Amino acid sequence: DAMVIQNPRYQVTQFGKPVTLSCSQTLNHNVMYWYQQKSSQAPKLLFHYYDKDFNNEADTPDNFQSRRPNTSFCFLDIRSPGLGDAAMYLCATSSRGVETQYFGPGTRLLVL
Amino acid sequence: AQSVTQLDSHVSVSEGTPVLLRCNYSSSYSPSLFWYVQHPNKGLQLLLKYTSAATLVKGINGFEAEFKKSETSFHLTKPSAHMSDAAEYFCVVSDRFSGGYNKLIFGAGTRLAVHP
Repeated sequence: DAMVIQNPRYQVTQFGKPVTLSCSQTLNHNVMYWYQQKSSQAPKLLFHYYDKDFNNEADTPDNFQSRRPNTSFCFLDIRSPGLGDAAMYLCATSSRGVETQYFGPGTRLLVL
Repeated sequence: AQSVTQLDSHVSVSEGTPVLLRCNYSSSYSPSLFWYVQHPNKGLQLLLKYTSAATLVKGINGFEAEFKKSETSFHLTKPSAHMSDAAEYFCVVSDRFSGGYNKLIFGAGTRLAVHP
């Protein structure tokens, strides 16, 4: 089945220690998104890639970076995680010109 | 600007009774609207979407929603709740396309509890 895959499902890191979250997709979609979802809140868009074009939301902290080496993969790098970065991180994809976004299962990040 | 308001943060029903989750939207043009469901520690799953075709939209797992332009509403319903329906539900409106992608505007979510 075509799908969006996120690894790992749970990630524990230490305060200030860089961490990378991974997303891959078999849908061959042009657009990939990263969302942050804190407890009992709606997802918040951090940034997205349209093909190789990177688009940052205005209020996304510089601590968050992303890489998309090819169509299938996208990475979220948190350079120096703080306690406030503990959250569920959701990856989503969509096809150009289609509004529906398809979400992965998420990675829950815990910062100690 | 596009926005959605979910009128109830928590809804509690008994198994086998109807479900109603309320959503109002604000849009300066004909919107595309979605309902997503999120089970604990899981990603978001698309339940259904409205994109200016039929006003009554049928989704997965017996859910449906009716688009009412006069009331700016897009309420989610199900005739008979099942224990497995317990989850967080998000009403979502799609912002206008810009550069080939669209931004989803999420409501605050409604937590549905289903009791035996």
